[in-house]
Amino acid sequence: EDKVVQSPLSLVVHEGDTVTLNCSYEVTNFRSLLWYKQEKKAPTFLFMLTSSGIEKKSGRLSSILDKKELFSILNITATQTGDSAIYLCAPGDSSYKLIFGSGTRLLVRP
Amino acid sequence: DSGVTQTPKHLITATGQRVTLRCSPRSGDLSVYWYQQSLDQGLQFLIQYYNGEERAKGNILERFSAQQFPDLHSELNLSSLELGDSALYFCASSEPGGRYTGELFFGEGSRLTVL
Repeated sequence: EDKVVQSPLSLVVHEGDTVTLNCSYEVTNFRSLLWYKQEKKAPTFLFMLTSSGIEKKSGRLSSILDKKELFSILNITATQTGDSAIYLCAPGDSSYKLIFGSGTRLLVRP
Repeated sequence: DSGVTQTPKHLITATGQRVTLRCSPRSGDLSVYWYQQSLDQGLQFLIQYYNGEERAKGNILERFSAQQFPDLHSELNLSSLELGDSALYFCASSEPGGRYTGELFFGEGSRLTVL
């Protein structure tokens, strides 16, 4: 059965801190891994990773995938209160559906 | 705004009842996905349709059914509702013109409360 485990489950930091969110997965016919940010309602797309070892960056956020060890990390540097959200890791399989982890709840205090 | 429209936004009903949730995907997207998010839980995949045909099925209860119509909108039918069915139901779409991009675009969700 497909499995996605995210850690930590929750995290409280202060503005300016750097955080690393982890995602390990076991997915049959793995195709890609996506990261989403969920604030109040709909998840919004952050990154899609398909190749091992290639870092993707967007501003203060970056992510990397290790297909051999079956994990991915999401880094956020110089955190801001607006980064407070649930971060969801979602590997996708060959049928194109995404299997979501339970998420990491990040709270950034001023 | 993702371009995916879900109705209704909120729905309150009683146990034993039946409801229908509706989703209009982004223009041109052929795939529609349904996810269930219960309180403090991740998104649980229910079912996926591609151009009117069922493509993948997750842990969808037998009391739930879905379909995708020729105009590509989709409906999720939930029947014999139980308290535990209270959740946020998301619809997502992808694959503009059948082209795989990997990314899913989510609607704002339909919040179902069963009393």
